[in-house]
Formats: sequence, C-alpha cells, structure tokens
Amino acid sequence: NAGVTQTPKFRVLKTGQSMTLLCAQDMNHEYMYWYRQDPGMGLRLIHYSVGEGTTAKGEVPDGYNVSRLKKQNFLLGLESAAPSQTSVYFCASSSRGTGQETQYFGPGTRLLVL
Amino acid sequence: DAKTTQPPSMDCAEGRAANLPCNHSTISGNEYVYWYRQIHSQGPQYIIHGLKNNETNEMASLIITEDRKSSTLILPHATLRDTAVYYCIVRVRDNQGGKLIFGQGTELSVKP
Repeated sequence: NAGVTQTPKFRVLKTGQSMTLLCAQDMNHEYMYWYRQDPGMGLRLIHYSVGEGTTAKGEVPDGYNVSRLKKQNFLLGLESAAPSQTSVYFCASSSRGTGQETQYFGPGTRLLVL
Repeated sequence: DAKTTQPPSMDCAEGRAANLPCNHSTISGNEYVYWYRQIHSQGPQYIIHGLKNNETNEMASLIITEDRKSSTLILPHATLRDTAVYYCIVRVRDNQGGKLIFGQGTELSVKP
C-alpha cells in the first residue's frame, strides 16, 4: 500500500515548455487534489476532483489543466510554463463522506521554471 | 469557511507539552476544526479534528473552548521530530469534496 505517489520528484523546465505531473493513489479514494506551495507560504488549491471524469477549479487554477480519466490517477498539466509556476506541487486524496477532509498527501514535486 | 489566526512561531523544550493556539472567532455552528502539520519539505499530515467536544488520539489532543471561538492543539511530550509547521483549518463538512484552505500556520521548533 503505497498511499499517494507523485511523478516526477523534481523537474526543471524552460519558459514556454509543457509538462504533466502524475498523481496516483491506491486507497480507492473518490476525491483528489492538486496544491502548490511557494516558499514560506501555506498550500493553495489549484484544482480538485470529486470523482472519475470530474474536475473543478480551486483557488489558483490559471495556467493549469487537470484530468481524472481513472479513479486512481489525477494529472496536472502545464501547457506553457512560466517562472511564476516555480513551486512545490502536492497531490492529495480523501474518501467520500465523513472523513473527506482527512487528506493524504504525496511527497511533492519540485518544479523550477527558468 | 471561517478564518483562523495562529502565531507565526513557537518554541518548546523537548519532553514538555507543546500548546499551539488557534483563534477562529467567526466559526459557525456546523464548522469543524482540523489540524494538520508539515514537516520540512514533506506533504502535510493530518493530526486531529473536532466540532465542540475535546478530542484525543495517539498523536495529540484538541481542546475547543465552550464558545468555539478558539482551540488549542496539545502535543503532550514534544520530541525533536515534532518540529514542523502546524496548520489550523476550519471548514464545513459538506459534499464539496473536502476542500481545505491552508493559512501560514505556526512554525513549532522543539529544542533539546
């Protein structure tokens, strides 16, 4: 039982390049989330999903797209990376109903955009 | 969701109790108090949550005042591994996917 895993762990991009971050969970959770964390700040929600095939915007969705084609996977895409997207990205998942706010987080992906 | 206020930093001696306060004066009757922590460079970790009764688990205790305008997270015997940023979050339990709003939290330093 690996919990929540994220791929890759670290990536350097040039401005304008695209990439996809992968989040996978093996806990059969319905809800999944993508956050970003800038230095010295708390986490901010980018997008989230309440089930397979559904996504919704969080606090800071601009510049990102997401897809949830399979229940266990949640992909975060950057179509044209900008230096302002340099951050640490965390994925999380939680179950439906009571306890939905108990989120399990992955180890993070560190992204540097030059 | 109600806003929370936490001190930016606190120190605690190893082996002593760490008491982390949180103010949530605008909390409404159906909002829960959640605590998470983030050890350096790792993903946040759920600690505990409560509505109005005090709660205890293997990690910590949560004391909520009778008027629910503030709460205290207690780590009974702090260790060096408890050094982390602690987040107090208030939200309604609904069917909106469990979205959490993280503030800047309290940076707890446990010292030998």
